[in-house]
Amino acid sequence: DQQVKQNSPSLSVQEGRISILNCDYTNSMFDYFLWYKKYPAEGPTFLISISSIKDKNEDGRFTVFLNKSAKHLSLHIVPSQPGDSAVYFCAASAGGGSYIPTFGRGTSLIVHP
Amino acid sequence: ETGVTQTPRHLVMGMTNKKSLKCEQHLGHNAMYWYKQSAKKPLELMFVYNFKEQTENNSVPSRFSPECPNSSHLFLHLHTLQPEDSALYLCASSQEDRAEAFFGQGTRLTVV
Repeated sequence: DQQVKQNSPSLSVQEGRISILNCDYTNSMFDYFLWYKKYPAEGPTFLISISSIKDKNEDGRFTVFLNKSAKHLSLHIVPSQPGDSAVYFCAASAGGGSYIPTFGRGTSLIVHP
Repeated sequence: ETGVTQTPRHLVMGMTNKKSLKCEQHLGHNAMYWYKQSAKKPLELMFVYNFKEQTENNSVPSRFSPECPNSSHLFLHLHTLQPEDSALYLCASSQEDRAEAFFGQGTRLTVV
């Protein structure tokens, strides 16, 4: 049974608009969450993370929101750029991020010029 | 060279072949990992090494055999694989068991 779910396999957004990628988790022990970005023919690259003691973390155009009661997190990209087109993986970890994360299936984001 | 480097980038092998995947990290990390990514599936953790000691083996078939001679190098030895083993194999490293891992570019493996 998947503990980290990314229910949208793909998302298409116009350049300049907001991209919202969603992720749900089932394991209550998860307390640290990460987003990775993957281009074709490359390995995933760490993008941004958030601890469960926060509900928001921002880094430039990227913001991650965490709703613990709903066991839901989302990644917002504003404004979206064509270079953001990639597969985005959500991951969750326990022990304050000291445990190896569990990954979702990924969401393919396409940003149209 | 910096980061995490994997060789080869692409590999085609027959079911009776023996081959090895290599991973090298120049980040000073002491934990290294092998992941498998199949189409439309989550990244699957295969093996974990901390300070050269294997600390996790996620029920991986014995036809996959890892080796970690030092904290900078990791190998995955392959023998008598099946076509369903065709996937992208990713190596990663991190500081101990920190969740923020750095990945290599992967080896695209095709078993024929």
